[in-house]
Amino acid sequence: KAGVTQTPRYLIKTRGQQVTLSCSPISGHRSVSWYQQTPGQGLQFLFEYFSETQRNKGNFPGRFSGRQFSNSRSEMNVSTLELGDSALYLCASSFSPTGDLGEQYFGPGTRLTVT
Amino acid sequence: DAKTTQPNSMESNEEEPVHLPCNHSTISGTDYIHWYRQLPSQGPEYVIHGLTSNVNNRMASLAIAEDRKSSTLILHRATLRDAAVYYCILRDPGSARQLTFGSGTQLTVLP
Repeated sequence: KAGVTQTPRYLIKTRGQQVTLSCSPISGHRSVSWYQQTPGQGLQFLFEYFSETQRNKGNFPGRFSGRQFSNSRSEMNVSTLELGDSALYLCASSFSPTGDLGEQYFGPGTRLTVT
Repeated sequence: DAKTTQPNSMESNEEEPVHLPCNHSTISGTDYIHWYRQLPSQGPEYVIHGLTSNVNNRMASLAIAEDRKSSTLILHRATLRDAAVYYCILRDPGSARQLTFGSGTQLTVLP
């Protein structure tokens, strides 16, 4: 079974621009979560989607948004990029029809650098 | 949310057992104890989870104290590939679905 894939793997953007990151979950997984990892703040939860609906949201500004498609693929968008948005963005998928005890399978991440 | 406390770093010799401790004195009765690890330049990877009883899988064992205020992840024979940051995470299936990561323990395995 193929793992979680994220594209692109690396990205350089300029302050003020917007960016879209993509995540393809493991086949059959309907839950997709996004996390941001920085050296200062560690791993922080952004949001989770299940069956095309945002089911949970972390404490991030509205510039961070996401969506999920009918095939469970997910995208996250960051508008008006700031230098502090430079981070590794990780996507995780799980089967999770109910409850949250399912293992989360993480992709390799997208390294975003904002200059 | 209940918090976990882990040592910042630990060292182990290759092929020896490693015991990674985690304190969670404010754990609630419904919190499960999960462990994930993150190898260099990779996303986190699920290791094991449990509620009250000790658990074993192909990767590791999880020993949970009787009062559930602490737990220990046991790697039976550390290899160089086990060098990673290990995260102990509490998850309540009735509420938060996300993983709340702390700072974890950086495990160094010495050859």
